[in-house]
This record gives sequence, C-alpha cells and structure tokens, in this order.
Amino acid sequence: EPEVTQTPSHQVTQMGQEVILRCVPISNHLYFYWYRQILGQKVEFLVSFYNNEISEKSEIFDDQFSVERPDGSNFTLKIRSTKLEDSAMYFCASGPRGADGYTFGSGTRLTVV
Amino acid sequence: AQKVTQAQTEISVVEKEDVTLDCVYETRDTTYYLFWYKQPPSGELVFLIRRNSFDEQNEISGRYSWNFQKSTSSFNFTITASQVVDSAVYFCALSEAPRDDKIIFGKGTRLHILP
Repeated sequence: EPEVTQTPSHQVTQMGQEVILRCVPISNHLYFYWYRQILGQKVEFLVSFYNNEISEKSEIFDDQFSVERPDGSNFTLKIRSTKLEDSAMYFCASGPRGADGYTFGSGTRLTVV
Repeated sequence: AQKVTQAQTEISVVEKEDVTLDCVYETRDTTYYLFWYKQPPSGELVFLIRRNSFDEQNEISGRYSWNFQKSTSSFNFTITASQVVDSAVYFCALSEAPRDDKIIFGKGTRLHILP
C-alpha cells in the first residue's frame, strides 16, 4: 500500500538553528499538507500546498516557516531560527483531491534544545 | 467555524468491556467529512474511518463501529470487547472539503484498556 514517507523520524536541534523536515508524498497525489502536534495536545493544521503554491496556511505558519517542493518527489518544511516551543511532532500528509484519500506520514519528532 | 469536541479526556476500562468515545462537531457546511484516527504510543496517526456528510449509515468494521447522527452533530465510536492493544489516543476530526480541505482535529481521548 502506498505510503507517505517522512525523514528523519527524530531530529534534535539547537535553538536558533534552521531545520528542514522532509516528506515524500504518494506519487500520484496533488495536495500536500503539514500538521503539528505539540506533545500531549491535538494535531493542528499548518499549511496546504497545491500546484506549487500555498493554498492555505494557519496562524501558526508565520514567517519562520516555509514549504517547498524542490523536485517531483519531495515536499519540505523549513523552520528558520527554531525556538523551544517548536518542539513537536510534525506530520506530512498528501491526498489526490482535497480530503479524499488523505494519507499521513508517520511523523518527525523535532526536539529543540 | 469548524470545531470538534471530544469531551472525554481519558477513559479506562477493563479488557473485554465495550467502550464508546464521543465526538460532537460544528460546521456551517452541508458537505463535510468526518474522521477517526488512532494514535498509539509510537506516535503515528492510524486512519480508522472517513464518513461523508451525506452518508448517515452506521458502519461496523470488526470490533469497531461508528454511529453518525446529523441531528445531534455527533459521530461516536464504539469498540466492542476491548483489548489491551486498543490502548491509544483517539482523535475525531472534520474537514469541510471540497471547499476547505484542511482537517480539524479534536483534542483526543486517551483510552486505557486494563488487563
């Protein structure tokens, strides 16, 4: 069964450093998403991406964050100048069309120290 | 505005008991999707079900069943004959697709199945 792949599974970074979280969506999917889950809390939408541009972003997705599809297979989330409160699980998701067939990756646990 | 409420923060039951997880949602759209996800201790999100707003039929999948009632804006999830492996956090979620395809999650219910 096709799956969304996220790397790394766990990343530790120092406060103020930049991190790039990587995702390989399912190959025929057109819609891509990032979500965040702070430990013990609910999963929160960050951003959606379609046709090489952001289609929607939440209040959380400020100038510190950016997304990119650098080639035909990867979808990345960059966090500039990380803060302690950026520590969370980050989930990538993809879908063929809207919420139909949404598939989540297994997540990247980011720890900022 | 979209909202998903899971009033039960934490539930503990003894193995083999039945347990129902409640979910109440708010939306102004007539077309929407409802979801349930399981999050085991390993952290990944395991998809359980997606239901569109036009399909109010209840669904059963093995020991799992879902009761969708538009009249009360509820989408409850029942586990029959619970097992220790069912211990996890369960999230109910809503999407107002196709207008808005982001998924809004509830805060989750942590389920403990005691041996």
